Amino acid sequence: AQRVTQPEKLLSVFKGAPVELKCNYSYSGSPELFWYVQYSRQRLQLLLRHISRESIKGFTADLNKGETSFHLKKPFAQEEDSAMYYCALRQERNYGGSQGNLIFGKGTKLSVKP
Amino acid sequence: NAGVTQTPKFQVLKTGQSMTLQCAQDMNHEYMSWYRQDPGMGLRLIHYSVGAGITDQGEVPNGYNVSRSTTEDFPLRLLSAAPSQTSVYFCASSYRGLYTGELFFGEGSRLTVL
Repeated sequence: AQRVTQPEKLLSVFKGAPVELKCNYSYSGSPELFWYVQYSRQRLQLLLRHISRESIKGFTADLNKGETSFHLKKPFAQEEDSAMYYCALRQERNYGGSQGNLIFGKGTKLSVKP
Repeated sequence: NAGVTQTPKFQVLKTGQSMTLQCAQDMNHEYMSWYRQDPGMGLRLIHYSVGAGITDQGEVPNGYNVSRSTTEDFPLRLLSAAPSQTSVYFCASSYRGLYTGELFFGEGSRLTVL
């Protein structure tokens, strides 16, 4: 079964501390993974995708196929990073000509204290 | 561009009533979808569409209907509302059938069923 697990509902850190938001997945093929973020009173939006290997707002995420993980990391958390973070996995394609839908984890609320 | 527009933002229904959540996008996106967001459950896909005239079920389709008569609009219909459908509903669209994996979300519609 294709599944995304975010084990932490809430993660609280102090400003300047490192932060790691955990994401594990279950997928038989070659996974495609994403991190989405929802800031207070803003729309849910894409933060980064593993295939781009990019750093956005200081966040990075590395796909570890051996551990089936895609943890989101930032070396020095800022108060403006406080938000709800969702890890997402692309489902296998089940419709000719279209890409698979996204399966979201349950989300982790990050709170960065001053 | 307005992006993805959802109406209404808030709605209270009584059990058994029907209603339609409206979703429109002005980005000429082929792919559109509806998710519900519940505490501790994350985002779950209700229905999706890869183009006008084409719809399919997601993870939790029961109690909901959709149609896609135009590229721009993707309404979600609750036929006979139940308290279990109390949730925040998000409409999302994507370019080229979710090719990049980037979903553009609406602001959400908070529905309470009494």
